[in-house]
Amino acid sequence: EAGVAQSPRYKIIEKRQSVAFWCNPISGHATLYWYQQILGQGPKLLIQFQNNGVVDDSQLPKDRFSAERLKGVDSTLKIQPAKLEDSAVYLCASSLDRGSEAFFGQGTRLTVV
Amino acid sequence: GQQLNQSPQSMFIQEGEDVSMNCTSSSIFNTWLWYKQDPGEGPVLLIALYKAGELTSNGRLTAQFGTTRKDSFLNISASIPSDVGIYFCAGTAGDSNYQLIWGAGTKLIIKP
Repeated sequence: EAGVAQSPRYKIIEKRQSVAFWCNPISGHATLYWYQQILGQGPKLLIQFQNNGVVDDSQLPKDRFSAERLKGVDSTLKIQPAKLEDSAVYLCASSLDRGSEAFFGQGTRLTVV
Repeated sequence: GQQLNQSPQSMFIQEGEDVSMNCTSSSIFNTWLWYKQDPGEGPVLLIALYKAGELTSNGRLTAQFGTTRKDSFLNISASIPSDVGIYFCAGTAGDSNYQLIWGAGTKLIIKP
């Protein structure tokens, strides 16, 4: 069974530029998560989708971050404009349903300079 | 908001030693999950626990869901070099809308 796919693996941008990350969850998984993981910390949930609807985006900085999962499968996370403090690994995860075990992709390491 | 206290923050052990780490919460949890994260990778699920008192093993790993539902521990027996990494506990609380709450991680380092 294919795992969660994310791209790109690495991205370096200058502050105030925009960037987008892509995630393809495990087939059949209804729940999709985007996490931000700053070096030395645990993952922090940014947004959780159930199919194509948003369940929780309470920790998403909505002035600069946006995410969508239009057809309930793939998802994109965008940052516009980026700040230095956005440097982190952005992890996508999926689970069969809410409350089920989440499986993670390898993440996208973003460096903002 | 809800928080998980994970300890220790880091561990230096000799190969072959047993390892123990734990997580505690201020509120009752319905689920406890233990993940391992290697450098440059996403977290990988090791063990999932769903019932108070549940004790589950996965090879040399054993984890338990505390009877108070406010804690969990993970043990690794006879550690080997590939056990090196960061171990995270995570869980869902009754009123959390299934949001996973994460500990800060335990970094395991094996002394040469």
